[in-house]
Amino acid sequence: AQSVAQPEDQVNVAEGNPLTVKCTYSVSGNPYLFWYVQYPNRGLQFLLKYITGDNLVKGSYGFEAEFNKSQTSFHLKKPSALVSDSALYFCAVRDMGGTYKYIFGTGTRLKVLA
Amino acid sequence: DAGITQSPRHKVTETGTPVTLRCHQTENHRYMYWYRQDPGHGLRLIHYSYGVKDTDKGEVSDGYSVSRSKTEDFLLTLESATSSQTSVYFCAINLAGAEDTQYFGPGTRLTVL
Repeated sequence: AQSVAQPEDQVNVAEGNPLTVKCTYSVSGNPYLFWYVQYPNRGLQFLLKYITGDNLVKGSYGFEAEFNKSQTSFHLKKPSALVSDSALYFCAVRDMGGTYKYIFGTGTRLKVLA
Repeated sequence: DAGITQSPRHKVTETGTPVTLRCHQTENHRYMYWYRQDPGHGLRLIHYSYGVKDTDKGEVSDGYSVSRSKTEDFLLTLESATSSQTSVYFCAINLAGAEDTQYFGPGTRLTVL
């Protein structure tokens, strides 16, 4: 079965420091991987995705993610965190069994401290 | 904003009553989804649709039904609401093809007393 895991419920980082939000996956075949962000009382917003190509993917708001096939990981990163980055982050993988279903992780709450 | 609206945005109902949530899109996308979001569980797929009258179950479909009689509307029905269905419900669409990205509506907060 395909799955995605976010091992940290919460990540705290000081403003200006680099941040990493972790995601690991388990799929058969080549994965389609996504990151979404959710601000309080809002829907999810798409940040970035990896389908093929360069292992380093750049997305919205200065975020990037690195696809690592050997470690089955797709960690979200940002070189310098902002207080406004504080939000709930979700990793997702597309089901590769011929449907357009997606499996989401349980989410990681990022708190950037001023 | 991918032209997705959800109605109602908030609803309080009582156990045993039927509830229907509506998702409306304006851009003719083929794929539409219903998720529920609960603390500790992230987003879980309830049902999805891959065309008019074409739907499939997700991982938490028990107690829910859906209908899609036209491209722009995807309805989620709780035939007899239970307290365990208290949640935030999100609708999403998928641009599919080369885009293959989901976009989400603003959500509906449902409380079942």
